[in-house]
Amino acid sequence: GAGVSQSPSNKVTEKGKDVELRCDPISGHTALYWYRQSLGQGLEFLIYFQGNSAPDKSGLPSDRFSAERTGGSVSTLTIQRTQQEDSAVYLCASSQSFGGAGNTIYFGEGSWLTVV
Amino acid sequence: GNSVTQMEGPVTLSEEAFLTINCTYTATGYPSLFWYVQYPGEGLQLLLKATKADDKGSNKGFEATYRKETTSFHLEKGSVQVSDSAVYFCALSDGGTYKYIFGTGTRLKVLA
Repeated sequence: GAGVSQSPSNKVTEKGKDVELRCDPISGHTALYWYRQSLGQGLEFLIYFQGNSAPDKSGLPSDRFSAERTGGSVSTLTIQRTQQEDSAVYLCASSQSFGGAGNTIYFGEGSWLTVV
Repeated sequence: GNSVTQMEGPVTLSEEAFLTINCTYTATGYPSLFWYVQYPGEGLQLLLKATKADDKGSNKGFEATYRKETTSFHLEKGSVQVSDSAVYFCALSDGGTYKYIFGTGTRLKVLA
């Protein structure tokens, strides 16, 4: 697609429910990133995919968080048993490859999650 | 580990004022440096970047110079407009890793 697409754009869920957030990266981009932006905070790195592999999941805040990527394209971030502190904007980004001097990552508009 | 520190906001300026948003970094090796901007209700988008020491990135009247000796990448604009009101993020990427490290963001508000 023309840009990184995320859905849903807004999600309100009850505490304890599971949520799934979807990211469709730019076509041809092999690297995909998930970040979290909490109110008044910077961007917190969550996880990175190169193709379908996630070499480092250490940024995920707890074992309630998981992510997968299939077919080297779409990725899903799942939060189980949501808590109020999970409320944030979840940002997905993609790039043509990982690392590399000046490699630019392109962000989606984010999924706003509110846990009530 | 790698880190980025940028000035706290919010920064409030009158239209046509000079803007500086400070950014310093800590990194091993030779990172690339970026400024991203987030306009209200929108996602982050790349504003400018520099990949080696003394490089100057520029776009839309904004400039930033990669200063290795001071480990800085300050964002400047000579004359801001109301439409520049946004949150600005400084970031670095180390070519040897996959993580892009972002600062906490600086909110800029420009008054007419």
